[in-house]
Amino acid sequence: GENVEQHPSTLSVQEGDSAVIKCTYSDSASNYFPWYKQELGKRPQLIIDIRSNVGEKKDQRIAVTLNKTAKHFSLHITETQPEDSAVYFCAASKGNYQLIWGAGTKLIIKP
Amino acid sequence: EAGVAQSPRYKIIEKRQSVAFWCNPISGHATLYWYQQILGQGPKLLIQFQNNGVVDDSQLPKDRFSAERLKGVDSTLKIQPAKLEDSAVYLCASSLIAPNTGELFFGEGSRLTVL
Repeated sequence: GENVEQHPSTLSVQEGDSAVIKCTYSDSASNYFPWYKQELGKRPQLIIDIRSNVGEKKDQRIAVTLNKTAKHFSLHITETQPEDSAVYFCAASKGNYQLIWGAGTKLIIKP
Repeated sequence: EAGVAQSPRYKIIEKRQSVAFWCNPISGHATLYWYQQILGQGPKLLIQFQNNGVVDDSQLPKDRFSAERLKGVDSTLKIQPAKLEDSAVYLCASSLIAPNTGELFFGEGSRLTVL
């Protein structure tokens, strides 16, 4: 079955710098790759997603890139701010099958 | 638009007792999910419904966990008997159709502590 690996598990960056989180997936049939942000004690919320027919998607300071050949996708956050501190989860899905989640990355923004 | 409603928000029980959680998804959402999230880990899918039917319950410990979705709307998740390792947040989510068609909307979660 599908397996999603996410790294790093913890990422600490200076405020204003960029952060990159990477995920790899195993099932080449996966075609949907969302990223969720979960603040401490809160519910996960979708921040950006990408489909397999697109290589890159951007939304203000957040971007996601997808490399289907290598089966990996990455989240890029530029000009990080304190409110970006959270746990970020990547996931992969195909058709009606369940989302397979990565283990999460704790992003710490240092003032 | 109302979000996903869950209750109770918090529950403390002793091991071997039973507990039930309730979820009301966003109106019109066909797919409903129950996730278990243990502290410091990612969400683990317990069961996925599409309308009335079960799509995936491969990770549901069926000897102690059960779930139903009556009339394709509300859902309940029951644990009986509870074990210490069941301490977690139980997240309900819903989506319009399949997981790869768009966003999953999560409820606030039900935090279970088993003593």
